[in-house]
Amino acid sequence: AIQMTQSPSSLSASVGDRVTITCRASEGIRDELGWYQQRPGKAPKLLIYAASYLQSGVPSRFSGSGSGTDFTLTISSLQPEDFATYYCLQDYSFPFTFGPGTTVEVK
Amino acid sequence: DVQLVESGGGLVQPGRSLRLSCQGSGFIFGSYAMSWFRQAPGKGLEWVSFIRSRGFRGTTEYAASVKGRFTISRDDSKSSVYLQMDGLKTEDTGLYFCSRVDTIGAEDWFDPWGPGTLVIVSS
Repeated sequence: AIQMTQSPSSLSASVGDRVTITCRASEGIRDELGWYQQRPGKAPKLLIYAASYLQSGVPSRFSGSGSGTDFTLTISSLQPEDFATYYCLQDYSFPFTFGPGTTVEVK
Repeated sequence: DVQLVESGGGLVQPGRSLRLSCQGSGFIFGSYAMSWFRQAPGKGLEWVSFIRSRGFRGTTEYAASVKGRFTISRDDSKSSVYLQMDGLKTEDTGLYFCSRVDTIGAEDWFDPWGPGTLVIVSS
């Protein structure tokens, strides 16, 4: 199975900060990666698919980039509702696998 | 509005069975693959199972941790996908989510997700 790692595992930030989360695959997965946001007690929400495509309805402050093994999720200006946990998910091959998550906390 | 709602969770003893359901609305259910995920208490997300649409013969995929114990199925006439869970183990405890699969070419993505149904496996 493809292993996914994320860094950092958590970060503290303030409203208005630029935040970058990285995800690395144990082998090349082309651009077959999505980013999901999960607030406490809620279902995950799709933010980015195919590494860089913004899901409809998601604010443009979220962006994704990368291909192959290295990927990045960027939040250009952190908003109060963005404090949550973020997961990458590879859909290149079964079994689909998630990164362990990055929790964005209030500084 | 596209929606998914899971049901069927509960408290069950190890070794017993449970059947989860997920009903969709607001979209042509039969045109989409569907997937199940789970999240153990305080842990990360885990993909569990996947079923393709009838157009792709409804073939299925499973995580190694559930293969041989769980069975995914669908009834498009009821806009529903199911997860039959047999031989449950304590490590199967968690919140189970279903999701619609959007596909373009080789790309799959999961949206929306239901709110989840809680499964507790304990004696």
